[in-house]
Amino acid sequence: EPEVTQTPSHQVTQMGQEVILRCVPISNHLYFYWYRQILGQKVEFLVSFYNNEISEKSEIFDDQFSVERPDGSNFTLKIRSTKLEDSAMYFCASDPGTANEKLFFGSGTQLSVL
Amino acid sequence: LAKTTQPISMDSYEGQEVNITCSHNNIATNDYITWYQQFPSQGPRFIIQGYKTKVTNEVASLFIPADRKSSTLSLPRVSLSDTAVYYCLVGPSGNNNAGNMLTFGGGTRLMVKP
Repeated sequence: EPEVTQTPSHQVTQMGQEVILRCVPISNHLYFYWYRQILGQKVEFLVSFYNNEISEKSEIFDDQFSVERPDGSNFTLKIRSTKLEDSAMYFCASDPGTANEKLFFGSGTQLSVL
Repeated sequence: LAKTTQPISMDSYEGQEVNITCSHNNIATNDYITWYQQFPSQGPRFIIQGYKTKVTNEVASLFIPADRKSSTLSLPRVSLSDTAVYYCLVGPSGNNNAGNMLTFGGGTRLMVKP
């Protein structure tokens, strides 16, 4: 069964550093998402991406965040200057674009900002 | 977006049927109801989706009454491996709503005991 792949599985960084989280969505899927989950809390929407542009973004997704689909397979989330509160599990998801939304999630990247 | 309300937690025993009910009083006409399962340190996984009446797949059944203001996820004969958090999401369908901000609530933490 095809799956969404995320790398790295764990990322440790110093406060103020830039990080790039990488995702390979399922081939032929059309919609892409980033969510995050702080330990013990609920899954929070960050951003959705379609047709090479952002479709929707939440209040969390401020100017320090950006997303990119540099080629036909990768989907990246960049955090420009990490803060302690950015520590969370970041999930990428993709959607085939059929009539009803059905998200396929990756296994996540655990980001720890020290 | 329709807000959902679920019990925070439920306990069950192996072999029992578990029913988790979700309230979504302000569901819109074009909204679908989708349930996801999440194990610790993993991304949510799609379980089942429906619009009205009853939907059944190899994993679960979804019961939706005529007014669609609630839905019930039914897990037949649960096992220890069904211990997870279950999320009910409500959101619009259709490709003209590309990249919808699907919002996860707190979910229901199901604990299956031996």
